[in-house]
Amino acid sequence: AQTVTQSQPEMSVQEAETVTLSCTYDTSESDYYLFWYKQPPSRQMILVIRQEAYKQQNATENRFSVNFQKAAKSFSLKISDSQLGDAAMYFCAYRTTNRDDKIIFGKGTRLHILP
Amino acid sequence: NAGVTQTPKFRILKIGQSMTLQCAQDMNHNYMYWYRQDPGMGLKLIYYSVGAGITDKGEVPNGYNVSRSTTEDFPLRLELAAPSQTSVYFCASSGGLAGGYQETQYFGPGTRLLVL
Repeated sequence: AQTVTQSQPEMSVQEAETVTLSCTYDTSESDYYLFWYKQPPSRQMILVIRQEAYKQQNATENRFSVNFQKAAKSFSLKISDSQLGDAAMYFCAYRTTNRDDKIIFGKGTRLHILP
Repeated sequence: NAGVTQTPKFRILKIGQSMTLQCAQDMNHNYMYWYRQDPGMGLKLIYYSVGAGITDKGEVPNGYNVSRSTTEDFPLRLELAAPSQTSVYFCASSGGLAGGYQETQYFGPGTRLLVL
């Protein structure tokens, strides 16, 4: 069965600095999708970034980028120039390309931004 | 597009009461999901649907029922509320396997349920 592990329950970063959130996963599939979701205090789940496993190029969305290491089954999120609005719970998630389309979430990393 | 909408935003139930959490999406997505998120935890899948008339159990289905009579709506029913069902409930939808960003799940704002 697939699993997603986020080993950092909480992290802090100074405003304007860079922070990296870790995520590892376990799967026997060769093709799949990986996601990072952000959950601010409003509790809304917001998609931050998405990566297809068949793509070697790391996904980037403005200040957010990933380091996707397929062989190591690692999918870390880098946030550059951290802003106060980045404070949130971040969830790493995995989904296969199979028809059942279930997404598996990690337990989350709470990110604090220090002014 | 409104995306995924959920009602109510917050509800208090007494033990043994019943209620229906509403979820609707206007993106013509085939797939819809119900999750619960307990304090300090990730999301757990309750039920999901791959299209109108088709539903299936997720990880934690006990105590819940769903129906999917239309593509747009996916209500979640709690028949006999228990304190263990105190949680935040999220509905999500996705376009399925059609390619591009349709595989991504889009979430509603959540319903906070307190069972006393």
